[in-house]
Amino acid sequence: AQSVTQLDSQVPVFEEAPVELRCNYSSSVSVYLFWYVQYPNQGLQLLLKYLSGSTLVESINGFEAEFNKSQTSFHLRKPSVHISDTAEYFCAVSDQAGYSTLTFGKGTMLLVSP
Amino acid sequence: EAGVVQSPRYKIIEKKQPVAFWCNPISGHNTLYWYLQNLGQGPELLIRYENEEAVDDSQLPKDRFSAERLKGVDSTLKIQPAELGDSAVYLCASSLRGGPILTDTQYFGPGTRLTVL
Repeated sequence: AQSVTQLDSQVPVFEEAPVELRCNYSSSVSVYLFWYVQYPNQGLQLLLKYLSGSTLVESINGFEAEFNKSQTSFHLRKPSVHISDTAEYFCAVSDQAGYSTLTFGKGTMLLVSP
Repeated sequence: EAGVVQSPRYKIIEKKQPVAFWCNPISGHNTLYWYLQNLGQGPELLIRYENEEAVDDSQLPKDRFSAERLKGVDSTLKIQPAELGDSAVYLCASSLRGGPILTDTQYFGPGTRLTVL
């Protein structure tokens, strides 16, 4: 079984500032890692994922995350945030044993203010 | 391409009443998921279908919850009778499972927000 910890329930930041949303996971097997974003009154959208290969993965809107196996982390970063990045961000994990069930963290609300 | 469609978007009922949610997955997706999302929490899997077969329903409270996916396309999730604690958002997701990579990207619908009074 896996678990995901997102320590920060809320992260306030000013526009154009950098941000890091933290995610740590626990698993006894190798995993795949995901970040989903949820805008108000909308479903979850996949932001980026790590399956294999390069440990640094990027999204089309400037976010990036780095898989760190030794620290069991998959932190999400953006060098300069926009007002439109205000949303809830969920980190999720699935195991590599052939099952695609996602285990989600509790989410981090990113609040970007002018 | 249309995304995952769910209806209704909002539902308010009194406790002990039945309620049903409908999900239409992305065309061609063989795997369908129902998740429960409580306020301030991440989604939790209720049931996963591969085609018509429910392959993981270990977290589905079977005394009051039921689900079906006839013909391996649309799916319905039902609660009967509803309790106050069932107030939450019910999310449906779908994916195309298969190929060399043992995981698949799940695409989520907007969810149904249920309020039980």
